[in-house]
Amino acid sequence: EDQVTQSPEALRLQEGESSSLNCSYTVSGLRGLFWYRQDPGKGPEFLFTLYSAGEEKEKERLKATLTKKESFLHITAPKPEDSATYLCAGATNTGNQFYFGTGTSLTVIP
Amino acid sequence: KAGVTQTPRYLIKTRGQQVTLSCSPISGHRSVSWYQQTPGQGLQFLFEYFSETQRNKGNFPGRFSGRQFSNSRSEMNVSTLELGDSALYLCASSWWTGADTQYFGPGTRLTVL
Repeated sequence: EDQVTQSPEALRLQEGESSSLNCSYTVSGLRGLFWYRQDPGKGPEFLFTLYSAGEEKEKERLKATLTKKESFLHITAPKPEDSATYLCAGATNTGNQFYFGTGTSLTVIP
Repeated sequence: KAGVTQTPRYLIKTRGQQVTLSCSPISGHRSVSWYQQTPGQGLQFLFEYFSETQRNKGNFPGRFSGRQFSNSRSEMNVSTLELGDSALYLCASSWWTGADTQYFGPGTRLTVL
């Protein structure tokens, strides 16, 4: 069964305290692994797509990496405005179906 | 460039009623996907429409249906509402089925009483 699991469910960090969010996936025929950010009351906002093991992508304080079974979202020196729920999703190469994890709720305390 | 719009933003219905939600994709986008988001299950794929045809369907009962119009706008219908249908319904558009970047709308918050 295709599925994506994220951990931890919630994470509280002090401003400047770096950490990583985990996304484990079992998606047959993975076409890509996606990261999104979702703020309360809004739809998810696209962050990254990773296609193959070993790939890395960066955007400001965020860096996403991919292995054959997991993806990590590293947050370096986070700021309060980075507080949000971070979602990862795997998409299959047959059809356009995305399998989402339940997200990690990140709170950055000033 | 205008983003994905969804109407209405909030809806309150009672059990047994039916509801229709609307999604207008980004101009030029031809693929629209629908998702149900609940605290316990996260985002679950409902279906995808491309060029007025349903391309993929998730594991939801037949009470959930949708359609897409020639201008790519899409509607989702839920008949015989149940309490468990209370959720945030999100639509996402992309320019092509299989495109990697989906742009999400703000969602419609449906409450079933």
